[in-house]
Amino acid sequence: GAVVSQHPSRVICKSGTSVKIECRSLDFQATTMFWYRQFPKQSLMLMATSNEGSKATYEQGVEKDKFLINHASLTLSTLTVTSAHPEDSSFYICSAREGGNTIYFGEGSWLTVV
Amino acid sequence: DAKTTQPPSMDCAEGRAANLPCNHSTISGNEYVYWYRQIHSQGPQYIIHGLKNNETNEMASLIITEDRKSSTLILPHATLRDTAVYYCIVRYSGGGADGLTFGKGTHLIIQP
Repeated sequence: GAVVSQHPSRVICKSGTSVKIECRSLDFQATTMFWYRQFPKQSLMLMATSNEGSKATYEQGVEKDKFLINHASLTLSTLTVTSAHPEDSSFYICSAREGGNTIYFGEGSWLTVV
Repeated sequence: DAKTTQPPSMDCAEGRAANLPCNHSTISGNEYVYWYRQIHSQGPQYIIHGLKNNETNEMASLIITEDRKSSTLILPHATLRDTAVYYCIVRYSGGGADGLTFGKGTHLIIQP
């Protein structure tokens, strides 16, 4: 299947700082990418939909000014967690829709805010 | 996406076939059934999808009932590495900007 890669896989940052997570579709172009968050022992929750060349669409309850999403090319979307706090610590997962409409997921990124 | 119902957990012996059921009684004609699995601490992995015909690939088989109200994912020869949470998701065939809505899935545990 198609490959989606995230970087970094793990990151630790200090409270109040910002951290960026990259999501790349390696072997296909993705006009649409999705960002999810998963807390321990819970299911994935969709945070936002990222469309290449336009503003992201955020799910209800997700702060767009805190979780900045940029989808500047057909193979790259970034999620920046601004002014991170310990409660933002979570597993962040991106996914991308390939031409055949199937959605593929990245490996996920563990964020720990200390 | 239409709602799906899955058992919270299942056990299966290594080497045997694992049959994971999913109910999707409100599925509409233009919605596909997708299966993903998530191994602990990893991103979900695409397994298979289908509309109304049975499907098979190198990972699994998908059996969809004639009325499309339920389906079964079959892992023919389960191994310990198949231990994971399996998600059955119904999704509009047009896809587009719609992300996947994950339920709680089935935690499949393969026993040695």
